[in-house]
Amino acid sequence: SYELTQPPSLSVSPGQTARITCSGNTLPKEHAHWYQQKAGQAPVLVIYKDTERPSGIPERLSGSKTGTTVTLTITGVQAEDEADYYCQSADSRGTSPLFGGGTKLTVL
Amino acid sequence: QVQLVQSGAEVKKPGASVNVSCKSSANYYMHWVRHAPGQGLEWMGVINPSGDFATYAQKFQGRVTMTRDTSTKRIYMEMSGLRSDDTAVYYCAKGEGDTWAMDVWGQGTTVTVSS
Repeated sequence: SYELTQPPSLSVSPGQTARITCSGNTLPKEHAHWYQQKAGQAPVLVIYKDTERPSGIPERLSGSKTGTTVTLTITGVQAEDEADYYCQSADSRGTSPLFGGGTKLTVL
Repeated sequence: QVQLVQSGAEVKKPGASVNVSCKSSANYYMHWVRHAPGQGLEWMGVINPSGDFATYAQKFQGRVTMTRDTSTKRIYMEMSGLRSDDTAVYYCAKGEGDTWAMDVWGQGTTVTVSS
């Protein structure tokens, strides 16, 4: 079955740049979205339509797309950025949403 | 500011049914997503604003029913034949515009299935 592939974990030091990738064959023609989920909380939409940032989301979070890979970049990582991050796009037929497996970001 | 308020935690026995509700400020496309312990997010289905059409992930077809009462702006997700691996936090989430993105989420409802 079709999948969106994310690395399970990523560790960065405060002030560094974190890049979380998500790969899938339909990404060239389907929008991708990113969610941040902190422990015990509901997910929050942080990037939609590949690169758009909802109001209230810090500018240091940004999204990009190259071919079959989308990337969430967090510049100047802070302790508060420690969370699970999920990409989301459409399934192989474009008829329903699909989540990646999630990436646990640890701030050292 | 859109807010989604969900019903409280449920404890059910295997084989039982559960009905989780979500109160919205208006009638939007509404998704249901669950998060099982140690697992990732899993999309379950979506219902349209008028409540006359819902579509479900293949995994949940025949076991999940989504409905809504447009007068009270409440959305319901009923799951039957509960199993222990249905233990999860269930979220309602508002659809964003013309994309599959979900821009506002409820606080989550914990459903525990245990004998």
